[in-house]
Amino acid sequence: EADIYQTPRYLVIGTGKKITLECSQTMGHDKMYWYQQDPGMELHLIHYSYGVNSTEKGDLSSESTVSRIRTEHFPLTLESARPSHTSQYLCASSPARESYGYTFGSGTRLTVV
Amino acid sequence: RKEVEQDPGPFNVPEGATVAFNCTYSNSASQSFFWYRQDCRKEPKLLMSVYSSGNEDGRFTAQLNRASQYISLLIRDSKLSDSATYLCSYGGSQGNLIFGKGTKLSVKP
Repeated sequence: EADIYQTPRYLVIGTGKKITLECSQTMGHDKMYWYQQDPGMELHLIHYSYGVNSTEKGDLSSESTVSRIRTEHFPLTLESARPSHTSQYLCASSPARESYGYTFGSGTRLTVV
Repeated sequence: RKEVEQDPGPFNVPEGATVAFNCTYSNSASQSFFWYRQDCRKEPKLLMSVYSSGNEDGRFTAQLNRASQYISLLIRDSKLSDSATYLCSYGGSQGNLIFGKGTKLSVKP
């Protein structure tokens, strides 16, 4: 059973549309993350949050934004989707202590046409 | 030194073989080390943590060498189901985990 949920699982959308990728976790984790990963390629951190009302940009320059109004919810928004945004988006969470690893959601596979 | 380096492979091994992967890291102060397994088009899943004294979980053994700043993963008696990409990760200086690019393993009959 999954403790971290991402929706939608797959999304095909036209250029210029605004989209929000949902991520929720039921583990009470303080830390949450968004990664982008192309097939066969490495993970790129695009946003992270260490708690409510705390968000930071990651290593990869991104045109997306995030919010963290509730501990369990960390949505990612693209204001205007472009074909270059086509990728897999993975959400992850972890407890505050660094000694615990991350739990990843199943991902959202986004295609912008 | 790069933040993390892994041999991308692929490692093509027969069933029953023993295979080892290494991963070097740059943050000498890191206290947390992990191996993840990622199947094709799936999310990474935590395989095991890596402890200073080394640790074993069935056919899998993880070791940490702080002096040389690398971690290793040994898989004994490889199974077809072990075919996947193995990602190393460790605690970065910003408090996040740093992930390697992954080593691809293909176990053949």
